Amino acid sequence: DSGVTQTPKHLITATGQRVTLRCSPRSGDLSVYWYQQSLDQGLQFLIHYYNGEERAKGNILERFSAQQFPDLHSELNLSSLELGDSALYFCASSPQAGPNTEAFFGQGTRLTVV
Amino acid sequence: QQQVKQSPQSLIVQKGGISIINCAYENTAFDYFPWYQQFPGKGPALLIAIRPDVSEKKEGRFTISFNKSAKQFSLHIMDSQPGDSATYFCAATHSGGGADGLTFGKGTHLIIQP
Repeated sequence: DSGVTQTPKHLITATGQRVTLRCSPRSGDLSVYWYQQSLDQGLQFLIHYYNGEERAKGNILERFSAQQFPDLHSELNLSSLELGDSALYFCASSPQAGPNTEAFFGQGTRLTVV
Repeated sequence: QQQVKQSPQSLIVQKGGISIINCAYENTAFDYFPWYQQFPGKGPALLIAIRPDVSEKKEGRFTISFNKSAKQFSLHIMDSQPGDSATYFCAATHSGGGADGLTFGKGTHLIIQP
């Protein structure tokens, strides 16, 4: 168990809908990263938050947004969902803002868009 | 543009043999190279990582070899065991500004046959 909790584990929704994925980082970790894992694109970095502030963006679509709250949990919001958004979404946490420190991954949320 | 190329896509090794997975990167700014192990239904977990100031790092049965001039690095699993059967991802990132998440290779599905 990495100590990173993601909910829900599975989510099935229709095209055009909006969903929110939640991540609770390990106790004391200030950084939260979101990644998308799909068969064709592999694991792709979406966005990084550190202590409530956005630090970096990767390949995140404009339809997607995230935030990190004062208690350090984070939410990834996906809107106007398309079939191609079906994927595993992981969050990872680390104690520091620097990217070259160990990131601990949650078990992911499997999103299926039908 | 795929910045980290990983090969092979799949690998079958006999128990006790050596498993070798290779990665090549393009971005010379990368300065941290971790390997992650992922079991079905789980998130990736850090296995071992290296920085470019060393050419090799060994932890137990796992060794990373790093060739800075060739922009290549590889994972060697000695005395491979059935419990090592998993998907392995190489990754890279840099500690400078900008998108500081991990850039992953596409993964290698490793099967260790008893």
